Amino acid sequence: LAKTTQPISMDSYEGQEVNITCSHNNIATNDYITWYQQFPSQGPRFIIQGYKTKVTNEVASLFIPADRKSSTLSLPRVSLSDTAVYYCLVALGNGAGNMLTFGGGTRLMVKP
Amino acid sequence: DVKVTQSSRYLVKRTGEKVFLECVQDMDHENMFWYRQDPGLGLRLIYFSYDVKMKEKGDIPEGYSVSREKKERFSLILESASTNQTSMYLCASRYGGNYGYTFGSGTRLTVV
Repeated sequence: LAKTTQPISMDSYEGQEVNITCSHNNIATNDYITWYQQFPSQGPRFIIQGYKTKVTNEVASLFIPADRKSSTLSLPRVSLSDTAVYYCLVALGNGAGNMLTFGGGTRLMVKP
Repeated sequence: DVKVTQSSRYLVKRTGEKVFLECVQDMDHENMFWYRQDPGLGLRLIYFSYDVKMKEKGDIPEGYSVSREKKERFSLILESASTNQTSMYLCASRYGGNYGYTFGSGTRLTVV
């Protein structure tokens, strides 16, 4: 079973841009890449989803190279409230894509 | 917005008790999931359901069962609670395919 690989943790300072990269070497043709944010004692929250190239919304950007074997979540000008765990998720498992497996996540600490 | 509601935020149960964790979603989603989350282990899939009365085992189904009698409700059952089932339990729902998850706020279960 393929899996995603992310850095365990990252530190940043307020106002900086943060880039978190996820490796997913065995991504299937029809799989999408989705990123979630989780604060302590809360469920994960959807941030952004993409298939290829670049996707941008009001919260983040997602960069996906042509081979789709990795993806990078970009958070512009982070603030203290962006301190959270970020999960990269790729549709793995059966063909229907119903069973998705989360990786370990990246714990981002934003410092003043 | 889709809402996923878990009936309890905190529960304390005794070893050997039968425990029911309830989850309700209000957007007619086909797929519902139960995860547990433990420090250092990320989210692990226990069971999921892609339709009423349908269920599939996830990565760690041992000691758990589920029930989905209505589309909006997905229950996780601990037949005989044990201390190693102390964890944060997260319910999620999804429309289908590659759509993103919506998570509930979680139930922190302590088995003593």
